[in-house]
Amino acid sequence: EVQLVESGGGLVQPGGSLRLSCVASGFTFSDYWMHWVRQGPGKGLEWVSRIHGAGRFTNYTDSVRGRFTISRDNAKNTLYLQMNSLRAEDTALYYCVRNLVQGVNVWFDPWGQGTLVTVSS
Amino acid sequence: QTVVTQEPSLTVSPGGTVTLTCASSTGAVTSGYYPNWFQQKPGQAPRALIYSTNNKHSWTPARFSGSLLGGKAALTLSGVQPEDEAEYYCLLYHGGTQPWVFGGGTKLTVL
Repeated sequence: EVQLVESGGGLVQPGGSLRLSCVASGFTFSDYWMHWVRQGPGKGLEWVSRIHGAGRFTNYTDSVRGRFTISRDNAKNTLYLQMNSLRAEDTALYYCVRNLVQGVNVWFDPWGQGTLVTVSS
Repeated sequence: QTVVTQEPSLTVSPGGTVTLTCASSTGAVTSGYYPNWFQQKPGQAPRALIYSTNNKHSWTPARFSGSLLGGKAALTLSGVQPEDEAEYYCLLYHGGTQPWVFGGGTKLTVL
């Protein structure tokens, strides 16, 4: 079964740091781009970051660039999101998502269940 | 800052047909934006419905279809069921340093 399981969320003070993890199973992890997507309380989905299968290429949404770092360990089938200088507006449920790019076919599935990050004093 | 716009809310009667749209502030949406559509119900993670404009996943009910319509990506539900009441999000590819952008979501009410 293809599965993604996030962990690492919690309560952190403004300016603090957290590292999220996403363990993948049921597929060849290194074959896929992986993304982080977040959803603030009562809000819509926001794309956060992505990383190439081999880890060579990364991108970020403007609001987190310079503060967040996406990485992966293909030997451990694990995706990470290092979040520094956290702000109240980073409070959200963070999902990891698998992304297949195969010619003109580009899809996003599955999604993990999410890990909750709360930034508050 | 690229903005992707969806209808905030729509209401449809059971058995009816409704079309949700997804527009980009950069211009007309084409297949090169690789439109993806997701359904999210309260308390659940999003679920993929449509990829690359009009392709269905194996689990996507036949009543859902994707297309390009008037410069926008579109998701049409034909023969709406009560269980289709949910939030629907589109996702578009824009390239560059911030390649993927979600729409704000459409809350679909079946009434």
